[in-house]
Amino acid sequence: DIQMTQSPSSLSASVGDRVTITCQASQDITKYLNWFEQKPGKAPKLLIHDASILEMGVPSRFSGSGSGTDFTFTISSLQPEDIATYYCQQYHTRYTFGQGTKVAIK
Amino acid sequence: QEHLVESGGGVVHPGRSLRLSCGASGFNFHNYAMHWVRQAPGKGLEWVATISYDGDFEYYTDFLRGRFTISRDNSKNSLFLQLNSLGPDDTAVYYCARERGFCSGGYCPRYYGMDVWGQGTTVTVS
Repeated sequence: DIQMTQSPSSLSASVGDRVTITCQASQDITKYLNWFEQKPGKAPKLLIHDASILEMGVPSRFSGSGSGTDFTFTISSLQPEDIATYYCQQYHTRYTFGQGTKVAIK
Repeated sequence: QEHLVESGGGVVHPGRSLRLSCGASGFNFHNYAMHWVRQAPGKGLEWVATISYDGDFEYYTDFLRGRFTISRDNSKNSLFLQLNSLGPDDTAVYYCARERGFCSGGYCPRYYGMDVWGQGTTVTVS
């Protein structure tokens, strides 16, 4: 099974800060990575697919990069409405989620 | 607008069974594979099962050990998950989700993960 290691598990940043989350796969998954946002009590929402392609309607402050085993998710300027837990997910072989990163406002 | 609504959750004793349902609307249900994903209280997301657009193929995560069965009824735009031999570790919110890849003319290029999600239904085993 492919394992996904996501870090950090939580972070606190100020409004306007740049926030970066990393996700490492236990083997090469090429570009087959999604990023999800989950707000408290809500279902996950797909933000990015194929490691870097933004879903329609997702603000441009969100971005993703990487390929192979190492991936990065970035919020260029943190906004209050970005308070959520973010998950990476590989779909190269079946599906595995990262452990999640809880983002809070400082 | 694509919409998924789960139902069938509840409180159940260990060892008992439960059948979850998911109704789909706003898209051509028969053109998409479908997934179940669960989330234990305070924990992360965990893929449970996937069924092909036509119901011919089923895929399960290894930890289930044959206890769950995914199925679908395309004539009723409905997805199901039969949960048997439930234990406390199965306590979770169960989400149904649509596969992002579109299947046309019997051809599905590959699976890409979940794009549309329902609001979830809660299963408590106690």
